[in-house]
Amino acid sequence: AQSVSQHNHHVILSEAASLELGCNYSYGGTVNLFWYVQYPGQHLQLLLKYFSGDPLVKGIKGFEAEFIKSKFSFNLRKPSVQWSDTAEYFCAVNAHSGGGADGLTFGKGTHLIIQP
Amino acid sequence: EAEVAQSPRYKITEKSQAVAFWCDPISGHATLYWYRQILGQGPELLVQFQDESVVDDSQLPKDRFSAERLKGVDSTLKIQPAELGDSAMYLCASSLAQGGLGLARKTQYFGPGTRLLVL
Repeated sequence: AQSVSQHNHHVILSEAASLELGCNYSYGGTVNLFWYVQYPGQHLQLLLKYFSGDPLVKGIKGFEAEFIKSKFSFNLRKPSVQWSDTAEYFCAVNAHSGGGADGLTFGKGTHLIIQP
Repeated sequence: EAEVAQSPRYKITEKSQAVAFWCDPISGHATLYWYRQILGQGPELLVQFQDESVVDDSQLPKDRFSAERLKGVDSTLKIQPAELGDSAMYLCASSLAQGGLGLARKTQYFGPGTRLLVL
């Protein structure tokens, strides 16, 4: 079974600072990778996804992530954060399983607080 | 923009009572998932349906949890009897297959969830 590790549970940054949230997964085969965001009081929303191709993927609101297969990593980045980026961020992965089972395995999440 | 609908949004119940949650996926989405999210953790898969069939229920505590999707559209998740440790957010997600061989390129879209408190 696959697992996902997010390195930082709580991150506090000032506006305009650069952001990088780490995500590592354990699975040796083909995977799909996702970052979801949960703003206060809202439901989980897709930030970006990687299926194949260019390992650098761009998402909404200026976020991007880089898939490094050799490191089993899919780190999330943003060059300049805003106060509105305050949210919980989840890295998730799914892999090919028998019978079409493809439920997501999530990390524990990173609570990001942006100070004005 | 189409969304996954869930009800109720909040549910308070007493230990040993039965509770049920309802989910209506995005129209046309054949795959439906139920997840449980304990406070401070990421969501964990409980069950996956493809149309009306269960694809994966390996993490569903079958002694007290049941799930059904009788007509392959909306779904109900039931807990009977509820225990204190069941207090959590119950999330429903749906997806539409995007083709390809092997691992399907599917994006899961989540509903707002049902927050359950068991007293």
